[in-house]
Amino acid sequence: QKEVEQNSGPLSVPEGAIASLNCTYSDRVSQSFFWYRQYSGKSPELIMSIYSNGDKEDGRFTAQLNKASQYVSLLIRDSQPSDSATYLCAVTVLQAGTALIFGKGTTLSVSS
Amino acid sequence: DAEITQSPRHKITETGRQVTLACHQTWNHNNMFWYRQDLGHGLRLIHYSYGVHDTNKGEVSDGYSVSRSNTEDLPLTLESAASSQTSVYFCASSESYSHEQYFGPGTRLTVT
Repeated sequence: QKEVEQNSGPLSVPEGAIASLNCTYSDRVSQSFFWYRQYSGKSPELIMSIYSNGDKEDGRFTAQLNKASQYVSLLIRDSQPSDSATYLCAVTVLQAGTALIFGKGTTLSVSS
Repeated sequence: DAEITQSPRHKITETGRQVTLACHQTWNHNNMFWYRQDLGHGLRLIHYSYGVHDTNKGEVSDGYSVSRSNTEDLPLTLESAASSQTSVYFCASSESYSHEQYFGPGTRLTVT
């Protein structure tokens, strides 16, 4: 069974701090990695995708990928209370084409 | 604007009844997916389709079926609803050969 592991949290950070969210995956051949944000009672929203080793930056968000360690992370700089949500890590699984396997999510709480 | 919609948004049904949840997208995406989300389990893949008349089983497909007669719709049918199928159901879609999935607003189903 292919797995994606995340610390469930809650991860609590003060406003303006850097929030670091981590994810590990078991399938060595996974090629595509995604971070979704889900507010309570809402649907997941795609915020970052990363396909190659290294960092990818988009505004206050940076995704980091290390395929050798089977590790992907999301950094949120200058965290805001509006960033308080559950963050889902998702990876592709070779046997399922373009389908994704999701982690259970990490809940982030940003206090003002 | 193109979008993905789900109906109904809330549904209460009785054990043993057949239930169909609708998913409609206007992006002309070939790929469509159904997930369920439960506390402690995260998002789990039920069925997916890569085009008209194509359907595939996901991780938790028992008790569910789908059919794809056109590009825009992928209805999910619970043949005989069970209390274990009480959950929030999300539909998602993506372009061919893309792993970036976009989610509908969800349907909260309660089986009594």
